[in-house]
Amino acid sequence: GIQVEQSPPDLILQEGANSTLRCNFSDSVNNLQWFHQNPWGQLINLFYIPSGTKQNGRLSATTVATERYSLLYISSSQTTDSGVYFCAVETARDDKIIFGKGTRLHILP
Amino acid sequence: DAGVTQSPTHLIKTRGQQVTLRCSPKSGHDTVSWYQQALGQGPQFIFQYYEEEERQRGNFPDRFSGHQFPNYSSELNVNALLLGDSALYLCASSSTYSDTQYFGPGTRLTVL
Repeated sequence: GIQVEQSPPDLILQEGANSTLRCNFSDSVNNLQWFHQNPWGQLINLFYIPSGTKQNGRLSATTVATERYSLLYISSSQTTDSGVYFCAVETARDDKIIFGKGTRLHILP
Repeated sequence: DAGVTQSPTHLIKTRGQQVTLRCSPKSGHDTVSWYQQALGQGPQFIFQYYEEEERQRGNFPDRFSGHQFPNYSSELNVNALLLGDSALYLCASSSTYSDTQYFGPGTRLTVL
């Protein structure tokens, strides 16, 4: 089946820093989403981005479907950005949703 | 506009018991998916319901079953609980007009 790999697995940054999170996938996908899971377990939808670039405030994402990767950029990090960031893909082969293992981000005040 | 809701928030069961978890989708959504998230892992797809039928299924045994009602709400049933079934169970809803998934707060199941 499709492999979804996220890097880095863990990231510790000072407040105000910028970061780039990466998601690689091994097969064609119909769509890709980025989520933020807060410390209470709630998954918040950040971007639905099967291709191209989108921006929402301090966050932006780029997916290059032909090269099978997506990037999530966080600028001017705040402590509330802490949590786990997941990418999830819908496989083109059988329409199943597969999550990566996530990047755990910790922003220090 | 209420988002996705799930009940109960927490549940403690013993091995061998059966459990039912409930999910109400976001208004306007007709598709419900269920996920299991073990501690420190990403969510794993269990199954998806659309028009009251199971449309997709992940690699979970038949002990995991579900149902979708005419109002699009859904239940996840797990029989013969094992210790390894302890996890956060997440429900997500979406619309046939948009693949964007919206998640509920989850039900944390502990099996003793």
